[in-house]
Amino acid sequence: DIQMTQSPSSVSASVGDRVTITCRASQVISSWLAWFQQKPGQAPKLLIYATSILQSGVPSRFSGSGSGTVFTLTISSLQPEDFATYYCQQANSFPITFGQGTRLEIK
Amino acid sequence: QVQLVQSGSEVKKPGASVEVSCKASGYTFTDYYIHWLRQAPGQGLEWMGWIKPNSGDTNYAQKFQGRVTMTRDTSISTAYMELSRLSSDDTAVYYCARDWNSGDYVGWFDPWGQGTLVTVSS
Repeated sequence: DIQMTQSPSSVSASVGDRVTITCRASQVISSWLAWFQQKPGQAPKLLIYATSILQSGVPSRFSGSGSGTVFTLTISSLQPEDFATYYCQQANSFPITFGQGTRLEIK
Repeated sequence: QVQLVQSGSEVKKPGASVEVSCKASGYTFTDYYIHWLRQAPGQGLEWMGWIKPNSGDTNYAQKFQGRVTMTRDTSISTAYMELSRLSSDDTAVYYCARDWNSGDYVGWFDPWGQGTLVTVSS
């Protein structure tokens, strides 16, 4: 199975800050990476797929980049509604696997 | 709008089975794969497998092989996931999610159902 490792596991930031979350795959996954946002008590929401393509309706302050085994999710200017847990996910091979999550908290 | 509505919470005893349903609306049910995932309390996300509603073909994660069965009823646009031989480790919120792509599988999940809490306790 492909192991997905996110860093940091948690981060504290303020409204307006720029935040970057990193996801590392245990083997090459090309561009088969997605990012999800999950708020407490809710289902995850697809933010970005194929490494860098923004899902319809997702604000442009979210962006994704990377290739091979290292990927990043960047939020350019944090808004109050962005405080949540973020997961990366690979779809390169079965079984589909997720990172352990990064909790983004208000400083 | 595209929506997946899941069945309600369940409480089961160890060794029992549970079936969770996922009713789709707002799109042609047979055009998109349905995935099943779960999330244990306070934990991350785990993919269990998919079903192709058009044909009934399935693909299960090896971890769940022999214990999970995914089916569908196209007449009512509903997918089902049955998990047998439950243990306390199966206590989790179970989600269905539609594959992002029409026709072929790609492995991005959007949208998701609201989740179904399955509690396994003696």
